[in-house]
Amino acid sequence: EPEVTQTPSHQVTQMGQEVILRCVPISNHLYFYWYRQILGQKVEFLVSFYNNEISEKSEIFDDQFSVERPDGSNFTLKIRSTKLEDSAMYFCASRGRSQETQYFGPGTRLLVL
Amino acid sequence: AQKVTQAQTEISVVEKEDVTLDCVYETRDTTYYLFWYKQPPSGELVFLIRRNSFDEQNEISGRYSWNFQKSTSSFNFTITASQVVDSAVYFCALGGTDSWGKLQFGAGTQVVVTP
Repeated sequence: EPEVTQTPSHQVTQMGQEVILRCVPISNHLYFYWYRQILGQKVEFLVSFYNNEISEKSEIFDDQFSVERPDGSNFTLKIRSTKLEDSAMYFCASRGRSQETQYFGPGTRLLVL
Repeated sequence: AQKVTQAQTEISVVEKEDVTLDCVYETRDTTYYLFWYKQPPSGELVFLIRRNSFDEQNEISGRYSWNFQKSTSSFNFTITASQVVDSAVYFCALGGTDSWGKLQFGAGTQVVVTP
């Protein structure tokens, strides 16, 4: 069964460093998302992406964040200069055109020191 | 604005007992979708069920069943004859068609099933 994959599974970085989180959505899906979950809290929407552009973003998704679909398969989230409060689990999700269910990847646990 | 409330923070049961998780939502969308996701200790988010706002028929799928009541804006989820593997955090989520499908999650309910 097709699934969303994410790399790396864990990343530790120093405050101020740039990180890139990678996702491979399900191949025939058209809508892509990033969410984050701070430890012990609920899952929060960051950004949605469709037709090679951002379709919606939350107030969390400030200028430090960017997304890109550099080729036909990968979908990346970049944090330019990480802060301590960026420590969280980051989930990628995708969905197809007709179906409304979003399928999530296993997540990348980011720790900023 | 959309909002999802899961008032139960934790439910503890003994194996084979039934567990019902409550979810209340708020939305101005006329068409919307409701979901339940499971997050086991390993951390991934596993899709369980989806219900469209225009379909209030309640169903059973294996040990899972749900009760969607549009009149009270509730979408409750029941696990019948719970098992230890059901121990997880369960999230209710709301998605509208007016936005680009982003999901609004509730705070989650931790279910602990002991043998």
